Amino acid sequence: GAVVSQHPSRVICKSGTSVKIECRSLDFQATTMFWYRQFPKQSLMLMATSNEGSKATYEQGVEKDKFLINHASLTLSTLTVTSAHPEDSSFYICSARGGDSWNEKLFFGSGTQLSVL
Amino acid sequence: SQQGEEDPQALSIQEGENATMNCSYKTSINNLQWYRQNSGRGLVHLILIRSNEREKHSGRLRVTLDTSKKSSSLLITASRAADTASYFCATDANTGFQKLVFGTGTRLLVSP
Repeated sequence: GAVVSQHPSRVICKSGTSVKIECRSLDFQATTMFWYRQFPKQSLMLMATSNEGSKATYEQGVEKDKFLINHASLTLSTLTVTSAHPEDSSFYICSARGGDSWNEKLFFGSGTQLSVL
Repeated sequence: SQQGEEDPQALSIQEGENATMNCSYKTSINNLQWYRQNSGRGLVHLILIRSNEREKHSGRLRVTLDTSKKSSSLLITASRAADTASYFCATDANTGFQKLVFGTGTRLLVSP
């Protein structure tokens, strides 16, 4: 199956700093990647859809200037949390669709636990 | 919101028992998928059922879909302690970019 690598798995940062999270598809090309946010014991909330070579599409209520998404290649999408604050602390998960017969399923990274002090 | 709801929110059973989780959704769909999440990890795809299918099996998993009621169920038979995880249904809801919207999830605990 397809493998999606997400890095880092855990990050602790000071309030006001920016944090970049990387999501890579290792053995397939991902034209579309999705970024989700998850609070403890809750479901995944879609933040944005990232398409290679174009601007990301953000869900209602998600600040695009706060959560910068770049999908510069078919194997890499990045999420940058700018000027992070404690309320941004959460579990962030990326996922990707592959091509061909894979494209109905999502393949997930292992997630990034962000803690903002 | 088109997010689905699952019940129960939490389920605790003994090894060997069957576990049934239900999912309800709000809009028309192309397919419905079930995913599993171990604590603090990403999600793993379990099974996909299309809108024109009523039942599907994969190993110890059995999924049903009732589009008239906008509901689905996931049955895990002969559960094992390793099945302990959260289970989410997800629907594509005929949206652009084929994005998936996840249900609220069921936390399953299987005790040895």
